[in-house]
Amino acid sequence: SYELTQPLSVSVALGQTARITCGGNNIGSKNVHWYQQKPGQAPVLVIYRDSNRPSGIPERFSGSNSGNTATLTISRAQAGDEADYYCQVWDISTGVFGTGTKVTVL
Amino acid sequence: QVTLRESGPALVKPTQTLTLTCTFSGFSLSTSRMCVSWIRQPPGKALEWLALIDWDDDKYYNTSLKTRLTISKDTSKNQVVLTMTNMDPVDTATYYCARREVAGPFDYWGQGTLVTVSS
Repeated sequence: SYELTQPLSVSVALGQTARITCGGNNIGSKNVHWYQQKPGQAPVLVIYRDSNRPSGIPERFSGSNSGNTATLTISRAQAGDEADYYCQVWDISTGVFGTGTKVTVL
Repeated sequence: QVTLRESGPALVKPTQTLTLTCTFSGFSLSTSRMCVSWIRQPPGKALEWLALIDWDDDKYYNTSLKTRLTISKDTSKNQVVLTMTNMDPVDTATYYCARREVAGPFDYWGQGTLVTVSS
């Protein structure tokens, strides 16, 4: 079965840039979606189809996808960006989520 | 305005069958390319995709759980139902339903319902 691997945690200084990776076999050939989840809340879509932002998501959130790695970038990190982040793809009509990354803003 | 809401028992005993209902509004599952999925999250752990049903009544399941899952829809009631048989304490989780269009992301989620499996 297809697997997506993310770092367990990423720390970023306030106002700096955080990069969260999502590794998968030839993931560059798939559409990658990213979700933000704060404690006690349902996930929220922040990036879809590799690099597209839903309405209401700040431009500080961006995404890229190539080869075996997709990346979510949070620029000018704010305290409110502290959350768990999950990547997600579809593989042969099966939904697959990444292992999740906890982002801490210092 | 799209909304989804999960409902079902908060507590089930081991070996019992869990039945969860997702009631939604703001879209129709009879609309081409529209889908609803179930996703769960054990406490402190990652999201896990469970099942999906689409507008054409095609159904897809997590291969590891396929023998225990059944997803169905009632288009007239705007509901999607998930049943999971032979529940075990490891199935304790928050269960979410979410909307998706074919080839798209999960763009709307319910608030989730916590199901605890314990005798």
